[in-house]
Amino acid sequence: KAGVTQTPRYLIKTRGQQVTLSCSPISGHRSVSWYQQTPGQGLQFLFEYFSETQRNKGNFPGRFSGRQFSNSRSEMNVSTLELGDSALYLCASSSKTSGASDTQYFGPGTRLTVL
Amino acid sequence: QQQVKQSPQSLIVQKGGISIINCAYENTAFDYFPWYQQFPGKGPALLIAIRPDVSEKKEGRFTISFNKSAKQFSLHIMDSQPGDSATYFCAASMYSSYKLIFGSGTRLLVRP
Repeated sequence: KAGVTQTPRYLIKTRGQQVTLSCSPISGHRSVSWYQQTPGQGLQFLFEYFSETQRNKGNFPGRFSGRQFSNSRSEMNVSTLELGDSALYLCASSSKTSGASDTQYFGPGTRLTVL
Repeated sequence: QQQVKQSPQSLIVQKGGISIINCAYENTAFDYFPWYQQFPGKGPALLIAIRPDVSEKKEGRFTISFNKSAKQFSLHIMDSQPGDSATYFCAASMYSSYKLIFGSGTRLLVRP
């Protein structure tokens, strides 16, 4: 089975721009979560989607948004980019519906640099 | 109360030695405690996980010890190998949630 794929792998943007990141979960997985990883703040939960519905949201400003499509693929969008948004954005997928104890499989991430 | 505190920040161990990483939490509603391993350029990968109804779980060279009363859990890597050199993250969540709260990470270096 192919793992979680994220595109693009690297991205450079300037302040004020917006960006869209894409995540394709493992085939058959219906839950997709997004995390931001930075050296200063570590790994922080952004949001989680299941069957096109956002079920959980982290403590991030409204500039961060996401969506999930009927094929379980997910996108996250960051508008009005700030320097502090530079980070590795990780997507994780999970197969079951009974909660976080189901293994979350992470993709390699998208490295976003904001100049 | 949502934090998970992890120590040490970095760890150097000789090949064959035991690596020990500790985590502590405050929220007693947490009931799922996984450990993730991350290599440079890769996403985190689940190593081993435990629920609070057991005090220890072992998988190969990796063991989680869990102390519910102290709200602490730790990862022990026996017979550490250079290939174990990576960053390790503990995490916690509530069973009903997909939100993982991660520790700050421990960079492990195993010297040959």
